[in-house]
Amino acid sequence: QGLLVESGGGVVQPGGSLTLSCTASGFTFSTYGMHWVRQAPGKGLEWVAFIRYLGGNKFYGNSVKGRFTISRDNSKNTVYLQMNSLRAEDTAVYYCAKDNMVQGVIGDAFDIWGQGTVVTVSS
Amino acid sequence: DIQMTQSPSSLSASVGDRVTITCRASQSISTYLNWYQQKPGKAPKLLIYAASSLQSGVPSRFTGSGSGTDFTLTISSLQPEDFATYYCQQSFSSPPLTFGGGTKVEIK
Repeated sequence: QGLLVESGGGVVQPGGSLTLSCTASGFTFSTYGMHWVRQAPGKGLEWVAFIRYLGGNKFYGNSVKGRFTISRDNSKNTVYLQMNSLRAEDTAVYYCAKDNMVQGVIGDAFDIWGQGTVVTVSS
Repeated sequence: DIQMTQSPSSLSASVGDRVTITCRASQSISTYLNWYQQKPGKAPKLLIYAASSLQSGVPSRFTGSGSGTDFTLTISSLQPEDFATYYCQQSFSSPPLTFGGGTKVEIK
């Protein structure tokens, strides 16, 4: 079981910023790492970022490193994705996903997914 | 980065057919391989983890096999609800976690 609900998507100009949120319920949020995965229109899946269960370690995909920041607030059962210096190629559906391993170190499989939130970068 | 290559990229099949999708890793990933199903407009769904373990609630007609660099997802008897796109994903090395390009299963 478990449920993830994303919010915060929208239309933003190139170079702009946006913050996505993902609120979890139905599982012990503070014991699982969390991911963001995106899918550009008509394309496949691309892993974006992972944050360990306590938030102390974060990992990023090559295409977003230095521009995106993942964070979490275990008191609010919420994970965030701060996106800066947005580009047209960041246009995608952004999914948050739960890691399937308790206290996982580098990320494993994604066993619960949100419904996705759409980010469009366009002038 | 570990590259994941799926084949075929698409296939046409009939209800009741046995369907096999292949995923190849650019280096050995042991059994750190997961499979997902995605229907149009929906989030992906985990089917198989650790190459051959069936996720809870997933029908037994889905099986995964393989180790090292070569993996297979098999649907033993294709059902109408199985028409979708399937992705493999490696979790041996991160960052980054990487996906295959997807295999679209269409109705013949």
